[in-house]
Amino acid sequence: AQTVTQSQPEMSVQEAETVTLSCTYDTSESDYYLFWYKQPPSRQMILVIRQEAYKQQNATENRFSVNFQKAAKSFSLKISDSQLGDAAMYFCAYRSADQGAQKLVFGQGTRLTINP
Amino acid sequence: GAGVSQSPSNKVTEKGKDVELRCDPISGHTALYWYRQSLGQGLEFLIYFQGNSAPDKSGLPSDRFSAERTGGSVSTLTIQRTQQEDSAVYLCASSLGPDERQYFGPGTRLTVT
Repeated sequence: AQTVTQSQPEMSVQEAETVTLSCTYDTSESDYYLFWYKQPPSRQMILVIRQEAYKQQNATENRFSVNFQKAAKSFSLKISDSQLGDAAMYFCAYRSADQGAQKLVFGQGTRLTINP
Repeated sequence: GAGVSQSPSNKVTEKGKDVELRCDPISGHTALYWYRQSLGQGLEFLIYFQGNSAPDKSGLPSDRFSAERTGGSVSTLTIQRTQQEDSAVYLCASSLGPDERQYFGPGTRLTVT
């Protein structure tokens, strides 16, 4: 079974600075997807960024980028120019590329605080 | 357009009672998922529907938990004889189809007293 580990229960950063959230995963599969989700106090999970394992290029969405190291099974999220609205729980998630396996496997989450 | 909606937003029930949680997916989304978020277990997958069928219900924790989906739209998660360990936020998500992005609802917070 696949597992996802987020080793940082909490992180904080000054507004406008850069912060990196860590995620490692364990799988024997070669094809899969990785995600970062944001969960603000409203509880609604919002997709931040998605990475396909077969793509070597790291995904980027505006201020959010990932460092995907397939051999190391590492998938960190970098948030540049942090804003107060970035404060939330962040979850790393894995999904198999097997068509029959649609479930997301989540890490334990990292609570990100932005200091003004 | 409207997102995924869930009702009720919060539910308090007594131990031993049955509860029903409802999920309205985004219109046209054929796939629907239930997850549970609890302090002890984190975010766990419960069940996946494609249309009205559930090809993966491997995450349902016990036979007290069941779910159905009718008309390829609304889904209901039922928990019978609730226990205190069932207290959690139950999240529903939907996607246009398999392998597509999952959009989450705001969840139902269930408290079993």
